[in-house]
Amino acid sequence: GQQVMQIPQYQHVQEGEDFTTYCNSSTTLSNIQWYKQRPGGHPVFLIQLVKSGEVKKQKRLTFQFGEAKKNSSLHITATQTTDVGTYFCAGPDNQGGKLIFGQGTELSVKP
Amino acid sequence: EPEVTQTPSHQVTQMGQEVILRCVPISNHLYFYWYRQILGQKVEFLVSFYNNEISEKSEIFDDQFSVERPDGSNFTLKIRSTKLEDSAMYFCASSGTQDQPQHFGDGTRLSIL
Repeated sequence: GQQVMQIPQYQHVQEGEDFTTYCNSSTTLSNIQWYKQRPGGHPVFLIQLVKSGEVKKQKRLTFQFGEAKKNSSLHITATQTTDVGTYFCAGPDNQGGKLIFGQGTELSVKP
Repeated sequence: EPEVTQTPSHQVTQMGQEVILRCVPISNHLYFYWYRQILGQKVEFLVSFYNNEISEKSEIFDDQFSVERPDGSNFTLKIRSTKLEDSAMYFCASSGTQDQPQHFGDGTRLSIL
């Protein structure tokens, strides 16, 4: 079945360092969505990418969607302790609206 | 900003008992979803609901599970006879269209004893 893989599973950085998480789908996606989940919290929608090769920025966060619309990345510049959490990518199923989530990358930031 | 609300926040139930998890999706949304997340794992799709019927369900969503939209605002997930392995966070989500981002509620932590 359709799968969304994400690496790394964990990333520990010093505050101020950059962070990147990578997402790869087994199939071409119509769009990709990124969510952030704080410990004990719920997934919070960050952004949706739709176009091939699209790049979007939100302050220190840069999101990319690959040309083939099968991979994506999230890059955080100069991490802060408030960035702590698990970042999930998710793509819609080929047949409908359900989201297939990646395993998530848990980011911890040491002050 | 409108949000998805879920109740209760935590439900503790004996194995074999029935539970009903409740959700109020965002009011103008048409697509509703239930997901679950076992502790430390990824979010898994359970079921999607549109136009008063199930549009898709996963293999997790067996005969013990059912969903209902009893009125114009609530969306419920019922587990008829709970098992230990049903212990998880259950998230409700809604979206305006199938392609729009899904907005998640705070979740219900279900603990089966």
